[in-house]
Amino acid sequence: DGGITQSPKYLFRKEGQNVTLSCEQNLNHDAMYWYRQDPGQGLRLIYYSQIVNDFQKGDIAEGYSVSREKKESFPLTVTSAQKNPTAFYLCASRPKAGQGNQPQHFGDGTRLSIL
Amino acid sequence: AQKITQTQPGMFVQEKEAVTLDCTYDTSDQSYGLFWYKQPSSGEMIFLIYQGSYDEQNATEGRYSLNFQKARKSANLVISASQLGDSAMYFCAMRAYSGAGSYQLTFGKGTKLSVIP
Repeated sequence: DGGITQSPKYLFRKEGQNVTLSCEQNLNHDAMYWYRQDPGQGLRLIYYSQIVNDFQKGDIAEGYSVSREKKESFPLTVTSAQKNPTAFYLCASRPKAGQGNQPQHFGDGTRLSIL
Repeated sequence: AQKITQTQPGMFVQEKEAVTLDCTYDTSDQSYGLFWYKQPSSGEMIFLIYQGSYDEQNATEGRYSLNFQKARKSANLVISASQLGDSAMYFCAMRAYSGAGSYQLTFGKGTKLSVIP
């Protein structure tokens, strides 16, 4: 079945360590997004990408990095510069850039905690 | 800048009754869109319904309908005949155009709906 796969489901980070969250989609979508969700809060945009080898910062990009080497993959690295990384991370994709009525489709999320 | 406000942190509804979840928005754009998503306790975000700013009719999708009042800048979600499986967080989001064919979503803080048997 087509969808968005995020892995791992749970992730633990030690102080000073970088960790990478995986996001893969087989929907042939052009645009991909990373969001952070804190308890009792809505989603905040970290990074997004409309096309391979191009990505843009969202509202809270500091301490995070991404790459888009393949259309179907958009990994997120939480660096040691992110001092408060404990949160629920959601990856999303959209069918095509330029069609505003198309909803974003989401993965099941990764829960990141600090050891 | 776009802003979404959901003023109800939590709501209770009796099974089989209808419930309205409030959403107000602020934007200076003439063209925009509003989405509602459902987030069960498992965490995934499920798309429910979409309303475009130029749509003349209120959107409906099965038991979900959107009460869109453009002048009041509100886009309330109505769930009819509530079911136990409707218990979840519900998020209102606004589409913002960020140039070069790119759209971003701005989310509200959500409303937690609990359906009582």
